Amino acid sequence: EAQVTQNPRYLITVTGKKLTVTCSQNMNHEYMSWYRQDPGLGLRQIYYSMNVEVTDKGDVPEGYKVSRKEKRNFPLILESPSPNQTSLYFCASSLVGPGEKLFFGSGTQLSVL
Amino acid sequence: DQQVKQNSPSLSVQEGRISILNCDYTNSMFDYFLWYKKYPAEGPTFLISISSIKDKNEDGRFTVFLNKSAKHLSLHIVPSQPGDSAVYFCATRVQGAQKLVFGQGTRLTINP
Repeated sequence: EAQVTQNPRYLITVTGKKLTVTCSQNMNHEYMSWYRQDPGLGLRQIYYSMNVEVTDKGDVPEGYKVSRKEKRNFPLILESPSPNQTSLYFCASSLVGPGEKLFFGSGTQLSVL
Repeated sequence: DQQVKQNSPSLSVQEGRISILNCDYTNSMFDYFLWYKKYPAEGPTFLISISSIKDKNEDGRFTVFLNKSAKHLSLHIVPSQPGDSAVYFCATRVQGAQKLVFGQGTRLTINP
């Protein structure tokens, strides 16, 4: 089954404790991206990747890191999480770019205390 | 600075009637427009899209209209069904850029 898999689904952590949210897709997609969803703000892009070893900032990259060492994986790293990073996170992928149909993961609800 | 706005946070429609969801944008450089649907505890799923060179695109019960002069996008669902109850996001792409800009979302509730 074609899918984007994110883990974990729920995560509660404390300020400053490094964490990684994993994302994997099995569709051989070139493009992958991370979004965060906050009430009243919709979905905002954090980082995106056009291909292996090619990543770029989205609209809200501060406090986040990503890597794309393999085509299928695009982890999101929070080196020192802060409470303002409490949010619902989505990973997405598409064949070549964001104008194509994006496939989203089921989301990761992160709470930073 | 919200470039894409969905001014109605929620909308309630009777089953069988037409649902109209609206989206306004400010950037003339947007060249592609999409609608996504999101159920609770799931990621958004693609619904329908339209290029800036068109003014209408239809797919079954779903039709998207683009009014470039008014910078306005709308999604029509006819007839509305209970399974259409979800949050709907409009999204736009800046020409030449590799990102989508999303609206805030509208929660649609279809009443039996």
